[in-house]
Amino acid sequence: DAGVTQSPTHLIKTRGQHVTLRCSPISGHKSVSWYQQVLGQGPQFIFQYYEKEERGRGNFPDRFSARQFPNYSSELNVNALLLGDSALYLCASSLSQALSGNTIYFGEGSWLTVV
Amino acid sequence: AQSVTQPDIHITVSEGASLELRCNYSYGATPYLFWYVQSPGQGLQLLLKYFSGDTLVQGIKGFEAEFKRSQSSFNLRKPSVHWSDAAEYFCAVGPSGGSYIPTFGRGTSLIVHP
Repeated sequence: DAGVTQSPTHLIKTRGQHVTLRCSPISGHKSVSWYQQVLGQGPQFIFQYYEKEERGRGNFPDRFSARQFPNYSSELNVNALLLGDSALYLCASSLSQALSGNTIYFGEGSWLTVV
Repeated sequence: AQSVTQPDIHITVSEGASLELRCNYSYGATPYLFWYVQSPGQGLQLLLKYFSGDTLVQGIKGFEAEFKRSQSSFNLRKPSVHWSDAAEYFCAVGPSGGSYIPTFGRGTSLIVHP
């Protein structure tokens, strides 16, 4: 079975532009979450979606938004890009939204560089 | 608010030597605790997790971790390190029960010398 897949793997954007990152969860997984990992830091939680509803949001500005589709895939959108948005964006999926008895699987990430 | 501290930014060990990576957490109740590994250019892979029960947890790749409530620690250990263990290691804490919002530490970079 395929793992969590993310696209694109690498991209370069200019300040002020918009970016859309995509994630396909493991088949059967209904929960998708997004993380930002700045170089030299641990992942920071951005969003969690479960059954197409937002179930959690981290401390990120409104420029960041996401959605989950009926097939449980997800998009992360970032508007008005800043240089500080340059990071590895990780998507993770799991069967349910709870931590208990649940394993979270991460994709390999999308490297975003803002110039 | 929950937090995780990994006090060592880099750890260097010789191949075959033992390893201990430190993790301290701050959380109001009994937390869920995790260790992840990230190889260069890769996503995160779960090594092991603690939810409850036995405080010594066995994981994949020969790793283990011990939950010590009195010290608010969850240190990762391996008796004999292999060159392929060189990677970034992240400790994470999550709330027990309900929807998860895990908090990750900043990571410890493991360097393995031949």
